[in-house]
Amino acid sequence: EAQVTQNPRYLITVTGKKLTVTCSQNMNHEYMSWYRQDPGLGLRQIYYSMNVEVTDKGDVPEGYKVSRKEKRNFPLILESPSPNQTSLYFCASSLRGANVLTFGAGSRLTVL
Amino acid sequence: SQQGEEDPQALSIQEGENATMNCSYKTSINNLQWYRQNSGRGLVHLILIRSNEREKHSGRLRVTLDTSKKSSSLLITASRAADTASYFCATDEGLLTGGGNKLTFGTGTQLKVEL
Repeated sequence: EAQVTQNPRYLITVTGKKLTVTCSQNMNHEYMSWYRQDPGLGLRQIYYSMNVEVTDKGDVPEGYKVSRKEKRNFPLILESPSPNQTSLYFCASSLRGANVLTFGAGSRLTVL
Repeated sequence: SQQGEEDPQALSIQEGENATMNCSYKTSINNLQWYRQNSGRGLVHLILIRSNEREKHSGRLRVTLDTSKKSSSLLITASRAADTASYFCATDEGLLTGGGNKLTFGTGTQLKVEL
């Protein structure tokens, strides 16, 4: 089944404890992106990647890092999480140029 | 960056009625898409309308686009309880570094269809 898989789906952590949210897609998509969703703010793009070793900032990149060492994986790294990063996070992918996104199921992160 | 604004923010209707949601945006676009999100889950693509199209249909969905007014509407006909979800418009601005297209999402309309 064609899909985007995120892990963990739920995580409660404490301020400053580094964490990684993994994202993997099995559709050979070039484009991958991370979004965060907050009430009243919709989805905001954090980082995106056009292909392996090519990443760029979205609208709200502060406090996040990403890497794209393999085409299928695009992990989101929070080096020192803070409570304002408590959010619902989505990874999405698409074929380059097609621009119709396939989303993962989401990762709900709480930072205490 | 620009963001689509959906109207209304919330909509409650009875099963069998039609639901209409509107989206307004600010700058020129390549295309506009609608996505659906069931509570707390990932978004699912519904339909894409290109900037040179005015209307598009897919099953019970009808989307219109008015580029002169920078607005779009999504009509769901003969709604069902299973249509209860949040609906988001996303505008393709085609501005990404590296040649890709940037999708910017609105804040969504929460639709509740009651039995």
